[in-house]
Amino acid sequence: TQLLEQSPQFLSIQEGENLTVYCNSSSVFSSLQWYRQEPGEGPVLLVTVVTGGEVKKLKRLTFQFGDARKDSSLHITAAQPGDTGLYLCAGAGSGANNLFFGTGTRLTVIP
Amino acid sequence: DAGVTQSPTHLIKTRGQQVTLRCSPKSGHDTVSWYQQALGQGPQFIFQYYEEEERQRGNFPDRFSGHQFPNYSSELNVNALLLGDSALYLCASSFRDRVSYNEQFFGPGTRLTVL
Repeated sequence: TQLLEQSPQFLSIQEGENLTVYCNSSSVFSSLQWYRQEPGEGPVLLVTVVTGGEVKKLKRLTFQFGDARKDSSLHITAAQPGDTGLYLCAGAGSGANNLFFGTGTRLTVIP
Repeated sequence: DAGVTQSPTHLIKTRGQQVTLRCSPKSGHDTVSWYQQALGQGPQFIFQYYEEEERQRGNFPDRFSGHQFPNYSSELNVNALLLGDSALYLCASSFRDRVSYNEQFFGPGTRLTVL
């Protein structure tokens, strides 16, 4: 079983602050996805990173894949209440089509 | 373009009963995966169907079974329900090629409560 650990587990910040969420594993992944999930809904895909060291930006969100493809980070600049939700990282092993999900980071942005 | 749809939205069953959940994949997708998400946790992979066959399976007992139809839709069946089966069941669809890098698109889920 390939385990992904996310930190922090819970995060509550004021609107306008910056934050970083981490996703770490001892396993190598061929790709890694970040999802955001709202209560009572399915996860929504935010980004896929594939190459070690890759950085992708999605408006105020910056995603980075570690050089060794074992870890990833999500940085949010100037957080807004609409960013509130459960952030999940999910890794795919080489040759595997299923995803291994992290434990999730529950973010609350206070207006 | 319809995304992934699941039915029913909510379901209440009692211990020992059987349940069937349904999923229609996103248009153009040929692979369906099922996940179980317990409260406060990340989704756990149950199994994946492609070309009407189970291709991969996670660490779930054989009380969990599935099926994929020629139109790529899928069903998840759970027999002899236990209280611990209470969870959000998520269906995800994808296109099985190297380019998509395992990107999976999720439905809204079915909330199963076992009493």
